[in-house]
Amino acid sequence: AQSVSQHNHHVILSEAASLELGCNYSYGGTVNLFWYVQYPGQHLQLLLKYFSGDPLVKGIKGFEAEFIKSKFSFNLRKPSVQWSDTAEYFCAVNAKSNYQLIWGAGTKLIIKP
Amino acid sequence: KAGVTQTPRYLIKTRGQQVTLSCSPISGHRSVSWYQQTPGQGLQFLFEYFSETQRNKGNFPGRFSGRQFSNSRSEMNVSTLELGDSALYLCASSDQGAGNTEAFFGQGTRLTVV
Repeated sequence: AQSVSQHNHHVILSEAASLELGCNYSYGGTVNLFWYVQYPGQHLQLLLKYFSGDPLVKGIKGFEAEFIKSKFSFNLRKPSVQWSDTAEYFCAVNAKSNYQLIWGAGTKLIIKP
Repeated sequence: KAGVTQTPRYLIKTRGQQVTLSCSPISGHRSVSWYQQTPGQGLQFLFEYFSETQRNKGNFPGRFSGRQFSNSRSEMNVSTLELGDSALYLCASSDQGAGNTEAFFGQGTRLTVV
């Protein structure tokens, strides 16, 4: 069965620190990859996605992610975080052979001002 | 345009009862997916409907069911509620399916079973 693993459940950083959140998935075929974010009190929203092409994708608010096929990874990065980045971040994977989106358990990010 | 609307926002039910949750997708979207979200578990896929047909189903017991109407509005039903069904239930709307395009989420219905 497919699965998505997010290595860190909680991350605490200071403002201006660099961020990298790990995401690994288990599926050998072609995939669509997503990062969603849930700010406190708000609904989930799309941060960025990868379907094909350049494995380095840029999303909203200065976030980017790199798809490394050989490592089955899609890590999220931001060079300098802000207090407003405090949120829960979810990685999700879709095997192109079906319509189901498999989600990681999420990473709660807290940015100290 | 209006976002995804889920009603009700909060529900408290007793074990053994049944409950129906509603989701109105973004106008023009034909796909509605349902998820159960619990702390530390992420989102667990329940099912997806596309143009009134269930296209995929997750690994939940038969007590969980759903349907989609011709106007794309969707309902999910949970019968014989158990304490473990307490969770946030999220609905996601998209034009082609949450795995193929951006999905837009509602605020969720928080179900508490006592």
